[in-house]
Amino acid sequence: GENVEQHPSTLSVQEGDSAVIKCTYSDSASNYFPWYKQELGKGPQLIIDIRSNVGEKKDQRIAVTLNKTAKHFSLHITETQPEDSAVYFCAAGMEYGNKLVFGAGTILRVKS
Amino acid sequence: GAVVSQHPSRVICKSGTSVKIECRSLDFQATTMFWYRQFPKQSLMLMATSNEGSKATYEQGVEKDKFLINHASLTLSTLTVTSAHPEDSSFYICSAHPGPIETQYFGPGTRLLVL
Repeated sequence: GENVEQHPSTLSVQEGDSAVIKCTYSDSASNYFPWYKQELGKGPQLIIDIRSNVGEKKDQRIAVTLNKTAKHFSLHITETQPEDSAVYFCAAGMEYGNKLVFGAGTILRVKS
Repeated sequence: GAVVSQHPSRVICKSGTSVKIECRSLDFQATTMFWYRQFPKQSLMLMATSNEGSKATYEQGVEKDKFLINHASLTLSTLTVTSAHPEDSSFYICSAHPGPIETQYFGPGTRLLVL
């Protein structure tokens, strides 16, 4: 089955700096890669996703890149703000309604 | 759009009792819903896939007789933790899937504490 590894486990950045979180997956059949942000005591919220026919996707300060050959994908947050502090999860799965496998999560702390 | 609710948000119960958690898709129909469990400072672990009108599919190691899932309509799935014990204390999160090429949208979670 699919296995997703996520690094780093914790990341501290200064406000305004960029943050990068990386994930690798094992199943070459996976073709859907969402990223979720989870605040304390709340459910995960989708922040961006990418499908395997695309190499990069951007939404304002957030971007995701995908390297299918190497089986890894990354989340990039630019101009970080204190409100970006949260736990971020990557996930991998099949596009058509199948289950997602989650990474272990990254605690992002943005220091002001 | 794509809002998923859960009820209750938190529940405290005595050991040996059963607890029912509801997951509703408020503005879309979901033929598939997923139930996850999350222990403190850990990732989401899929427990089961709930399909409207059919039996749920459980992940390996999840007791189907302990975690009863009912997906009675296209907007409601319920998870019942039967004979709950302290080790069942966790954060239970559901997600719903609007369609075949849509992502999963998560509910706010239910905090269960078994005394």
